[in-house]
Amino acid sequence: AQSVTQLDSQVPVFEEAPVELRCNYSSSVSVYLFWYVQYPNQGLQLLLKYLSGSTLVKGINGFEAEFNKSQTSFHLRKPSVHISDTAEYFCAVSGRQAGTALIFGKGTTLSVSS
Amino acid sequence: EAQVTQNPRYLITVTGKKLTVTCSQNMNHEYMSWYRQDPGLGLRQIYYSMNVEVTDKGDVPEGYKVSRKEKRNFPLILESPSPNQTSLYFCASSLRTGLRVGELFFGEGSRLTVL
Repeated sequence: AQSVTQLDSQVPVFEEAPVELRCNYSSSVSVYLFWYVQYPNQGLQLLLKYLSGSTLVKGINGFEAEFNKSQTSFHLRKPSVHISDTAEYFCAVSGRQAGTALIFGKGTTLSVSS
Repeated sequence: EAQVTQNPRYLITVTGKKLTVTCSQNMNHEYMSWYRQDPGLGLRQIYYSMNVEVTDKGDVPEGYKVSRKEKRNFPLILESPSPNQTSLYFCASSLRTGLRVGELFFGEGSRLTVL
C-alpha cells in the first residue's frame, strides 16, 4: 500500500520569493508521482508528473519537482512565485501495478502576498 | 473540448432523500473515480472503475453506490444521505495505459449539503 505525507499544511510566502512544498511517500513497490493544483472554487489540474527517467521534472507555470528515491521524497519548487500561484497543492502517488489507486496527500495551501 | 462534467454543481438536501450525482467524460477514458474533499483531510477516494461493469471500493465507500454501465458515465448514488456526507465531491477520469492509470482529469466539483 502507498501513503503520502505533505509536511506543511500551509505555506505563506511573499511575491517573487522562492518556495518549496514538501512531499514524502511510502511504498513497498515502484511508484509514479504527481503534483496537482487546485485554484479557489475549481477542480484539480495536473502540475507535473514523474513516471520514469530524469528525476528532475518540469511542469506548468514554472514549477519543478525532484524525485529522490533514497529519501522517498518528491518536493515541489518554484524559484519565484506570483500572487496567482495562491492555491492548494496536492501530492499524489500511484503504484505501478494494475488496479492501484492514486493516493493523495492532505494538501498544502500556498498563500502568496505582496 | 475534452472535459469531465458533473451535475449538480450545488445541492442541498435532507437526510434520507436519495440523490444521484452524475459524471460524464468525453475522452473515451477507461478509468473513472469519485473523491470527496473535506477540510484537513484532502481527497479521499470513494469508488473507482477500471472499465465498464468493473467497480471497486476506495477508502471511504460506506453510504455510497456507483455503477458503470457505459464507458462515459459513472454516477454516484447516495441511497440515504446523512449529514456526515456533506462534502465537496469530485469525479475524475484517466486513460488507462497498459496496466497503470495515467493523469487524472477532474470535474469542477459538486458541493453537497445534507441537512
